[in-house]
Amino acid sequence: NAGVTQTPKFQVLKTGQSMTLQCAQDMNHEYMSWYRQDPGMGLRLIHYSVGAGITDQGEVPNGYNVSRSTTEDFPLRLLSAAPSQTSVYFCASSRKTSGDTGELFFGEGSRLTVL
Amino acid sequence: AQSVTQLGSHVSVSEGALVLLRCNYSSSVPPYLFWYVQYPNQGLQLLLKYTTGATLVKGINGFEAEFKKSETSFHLTKPSAHMSDAAEYFCAVKGGGFQKLVFGTGTRLLVSP
Repeated sequence: NAGVTQTPKFQVLKTGQSMTLQCAQDMNHEYMSWYRQDPGMGLRLIHYSVGAGITDQGEVPNGYNVSRSTTEDFPLRLLSAAPSQTSVYFCASSRKTSGDTGELFFGEGSRLTVL
Repeated sequence: AQSVTQLGSHVSVSEGALVLLRCNYSSSVPPYLFWYVQYPNQGLQLLLKYTTGATLVKGINGFEAEFKKSETSFHLTKPSAHMSDAAEYFCAVKGGGFQKLVFGTGTRLLVSP
């Protein structure tokens, strides 16, 4: 079972470069989200989507763009990378069923270093 | 706004000892509360959750947590630690619409032989 798949697992960028972190899920989940994990700060929500064509900002959206053209995919774009974006990024998905309790399914993470 | 506070960034126990990881929450509505575990170089996986009903919730790997409204707490316990329990544990509260979870800063559990 694939679940939530993130690529790449590791990436090193120079300041100012752009890149896209890919996320795909095969569980037909309506809800997808991106978190970043930093030491001592836990996980913070960057962007999320409740369905194809619908996205919204989370707690720390600056410097990141997202789009949701299909149910399966939710890429995260860094347009001009900064050292402050060095982090581990997690994609997570969930059903959007009314009354659902909010269990998120996580990918294995993408470790990004910006020099 | 909903939030959680995890007391102690690191907790060390001996194998076989009681595990107690603390979590306090703040929520303006009846909370949905979660504990997730993260093993090294992996994503997070759900350990247990509280939604409604029974306040003592049992999860995987022998963990359980008790929802105490009067104390706004949701502490995670396990009677006897195993070496394989060494991981980082995150408490989370459902923070608004749909599945927006707000996570605590995490507690790293160290288990010594």
